[in-house]
Amino acid sequence: DTGVSQDPRHKITKRGQNVTFRCDPISEHNRLYWYRQTLGQGPEFLTYFQNEAQLEKSRLLSDRFSAERPKGSFSTLEIQRTEQGDSAMYLCASSLFGAPYEQYFGPGTRLTVT
Amino acid sequence: AQSVTQPDIHITVSEGASLELRCNYSYGATPYLFWYVQSPGQGLQLLLKYFSGDTLVQGIKGFEAEFKRSQSSFNLRKPSVHWSDAAEYFCAVAPLGTSGTYKYIFGTGTRLKVLA
Repeated sequence: DTGVSQDPRHKITKRGQNVTFRCDPISEHNRLYWYRQTLGQGPEFLTYFQNEAQLEKSRLLSDRFSAERPKGSFSTLEIQRTEQGDSAMYLCASSLFGAPYEQYFGPGTRLTVT
Repeated sequence: AQSVTQPDIHITVSEGASLELRCNYSYGATPYLFWYVQSPGQGLQLLLKYFSGDTLVQGIKGFEAEFKRSQSSFNLRKPSVHWSDAAEYFCAVAPLGTSGTYKYIFGTGTRLKVLA
């Protein structure tokens, strides 16, 4: 069990650029979550996958955000035309289908938009 | 609306002293309750969880939490703090059966500083 991994760990980008983050969940976990954490706040739910199906998206996830989990394994989160307000830590978590409330978090990707 | 309140943004304690971090939630029924710890550069680590039953829950690293229904609280405690406990602590709730998503709602966190 190598835990949840996220890549990259840090990303600095200029406003208007597109960025993509990757999350690799624990191998047998079929539920996957993305959260966003801004400075001084707790994580906020963005979206949720069960296997490859995206079952819920938060209102926080504007049209510039898209997430995929094409084969039910790793997931990507893309932000198009980044804005300074997108600067945050993006956290990925995964859980087993039979233990949905035990979410294991990755180390996060810290995005800075300049 | 469902919410989680952690009234203390920062707490400073001396090493060896006891610790209590407060958490209150607002929800129509008893949700599932969690405490996570986040160290710099690390992901969130689950300390303990409450689903039902005994209202005093034991977790990892010597932490415990007590659920009090009448106060809608789930406070985290540790009898003797170690310097390695310095981190940010998040209380979270997972509302039951709303959408099948099992998403968490987090508080804003309490940053713990430990004095040597």
